[in-house]
Parts: sequence; C-alpha cells; structure tokens
Amino acid sequence: AQKITQTQPGMFVQEKEAVTLDCTYDTSDQSYGLFWYKQPSSGEMIFLIYQGSYDEQNATEGRYSLNFQKARKSANLVISASQLGDSAMYFCAMREPVTDSWGKLQFGAGTQVVVTP
Amino acid sequence: KAGVTQTPRYLIKTRGQQVTLSCSPISGHRSVSWYQQTPGQGLQFLFEYFSETQRNKGNFPGRFSGRQFSNSRSEMNVSTLELGDSALYLCASSFRPNMNTEAFFGQGTRLTVV
Repeated sequence: AQKITQTQPGMFVQEKEAVTLDCTYDTSDQSYGLFWYKQPSSGEMIFLIYQGSYDEQNATEGRYSLNFQKARKSANLVISASQLGDSAMYFCAMREPVTDSWGKLQFGAGTQVVVTP
Repeated sequence: KAGVTQTPRYLIKTRGQQVTLSCSPISGHRSVSWYQQTPGQGLQFLFEYFSETQRNKGNFPGRFSGRQFSNSRSEMNVSTLELGDSALYLCASSFRPNMNTEAFFGQGTRLTVV
C-alpha cells in the first residue's frame, strides 16, 4: 500500500508567489518523522524541512514551512515568495520505526514545480 | 565539511555484466542507505547499513547486494545486470538512523544498462 501520497504531479507558480505542495501519509505508528526534499535536475536530493509526529508546532525553515495536520495525516509544504531556483521536483518522505532501524525513508511520487518569471 | 560522495557519477554497462557503486558518507556519519530511482517506480529503498551491519533491506532480488566498511564507506553491487536496472542510484548518510535525523544525499550514480 502506498504510504506517502502526493496528488499533484506538477504545477506552475509565478515568481514571488507562495505555493503549497500536498502530502498525505499512512501509518499506524504513533512515532514517525516526515521530511521534504528537493531534487533539481542535477539529481541530488536536498533536505528542506522535518516534522516529528510529536511536534506540536509546525516546522519552519526560512521560506519553507510545513502545515502539519496530524488527524488528517497531512504534511503539506508551503514555499513562500517563490524564486526561479525553486524549480525542481519535491518529494515528501516518512520514517517509521522498524526493528533495529530507523533508516528507511519512504517517498511519495513527487511534485514537479516550475517557477515562471 | 564535505558532503556525500558517490562514484562514479555515470556508468554504462551491458546486460549480464556486474557493477559496483561507491558511497562515502559525511565524516562522522555511520548510517548509509541506498535508493534506486526510476521514472516508473520512483524512489525505492534498497538497503541500510549502520556500523558495518545491514539493518534493513528493501524488496529487491538477490542480485543487489551491499556492504559497509569500518570507515563507514559503503558499496553496492549489482550482478547480472538487466535493462530494468537502469536508474539513478542515490546514497544517503545520517549520523545515526533516528526518527528525526535528516538524511543527506549524494548526487547519485546514473547507471545505464544497454
């Protein structure tokens, strides 16, 4: 079963506008971690922001903020004041507890963002 | 400090050959994970190593194997290559595999099987 769902395959956003990327997740664990990564065309995955399942405050990192709605199992990424350099693929990912391991990240299918002037 | 280094960046191999990919994690990081990224299947977890021990393995055939050395560097090997193994292989390092520890990725090795 799909653990991470990103329903927006792609979207265009104008420079300086805000954009919200949707992410819903499926888990029966109480402890888990949610991550957002950015992948430019070069291929490298760049860490953007983290939200823990027990964190009461929404995470923020510069222009990135995470809208965490635990009851809805939703962890949407908000990018404020978009820049041309934000054009990339964005992935939502989750870590769940696995015996002897926390290392596995499960990724969604990603959302391609194109920022236009 | 230096990031995650993956070598080589690009590889072209023929069906039936075998290939070894290398990953040097960030200094001090002891956890290394590998992922395969394809247009059709997206990002899929291959395996995770911590302190030279494989802690977790994804749903891949036995042709895919890996190891981690005492200096935390990791290698993955794919034997008897198939066309479907063409993919971007990404390595991620973490200080340790905790719930709230971000994973830092390398630039990947792009493998093409012809």
